[in-house]
Amino acid sequence: KAGVTQTPRYLIKTRGQQVTLSCSPISGHRSVSWYQQTPGQGLQFLFEYFSETQRNKGNFPGRFSGRQFSNSRSEMNVSTLELGDSALYLCASSASMTSGGTYNEQFFGPGTRLTVL
Amino acid sequence: AQSVAQPEDQVNVAEGNPLTVKCTYSVSGNPYLFWYVQYPNRGLQFLLKYITGDNLVKGSYGFEAEFNKSQTSFHLKKPSALVSDSALYFCAVRDSNQGGKLIFGQGTELSVKP
Repeated sequence: KAGVTQTPRYLIKTRGQQVTLSCSPISGHRSVSWYQQTPGQGLQFLFEYFSETQRNKGNFPGRFSGRQFSNSRSEMNVSTLELGDSALYLCASSASMTSGGTYNEQFFGPGTRLTVL
Repeated sequence: AQSVAQPEDQVNVAEGNPLTVKCTYSVSGNPYLFWYVQYPNRGLQFLLKYITGDNLVKGSYGFEAEFNKSQTSFHLKKPSALVSDSALYFCAVRDSNQGGKLIFGQGTELSVKP
């Protein structure tokens, strides 16, 4: 199976602009999560989508939003960009939770490197 | 609150020697524990996980991890390190009540010298 793909791989924006990042999960995976990675804060959870519904949300301002489509592809949007939004944004997909209640591992894409000038 | 700690920012080992990367966790429910590795300019690659069962978990590339409930630890180990193991390693925990949310440690840079 093809892995998780993210587009674009690199983005340069200026303060105040908005940006949309895209993620295509592994075929058959219905859960998509987004993470922000920075040198100072490390890896932080943004949100998780499952079957087009946001299932979980991290502690980020409302400028960060996301959505999931019926084919499980997901997008995240950041409005009114700030310098501090410069980061590697990682998308991860996983198979749905098994009936036994165990959790499956997440598979990560290569990330989108966002630079805000 | 759930948390994960990786007490060492960097671990240096010689090729062929055993390696250990430490991780401790704190969760309110049942811990689901994961190790990931990140190479430069790449996403995270899954190594192994502990959900339930045997405390010694075997994973990819010869890595294994030992779950210790009393010490709330989940240390990553490998009997014989390779230069190609040099990378950034992350421990993560998922609380059984938190859906798909992973909480990551700050990462440990592993350097294996020939």
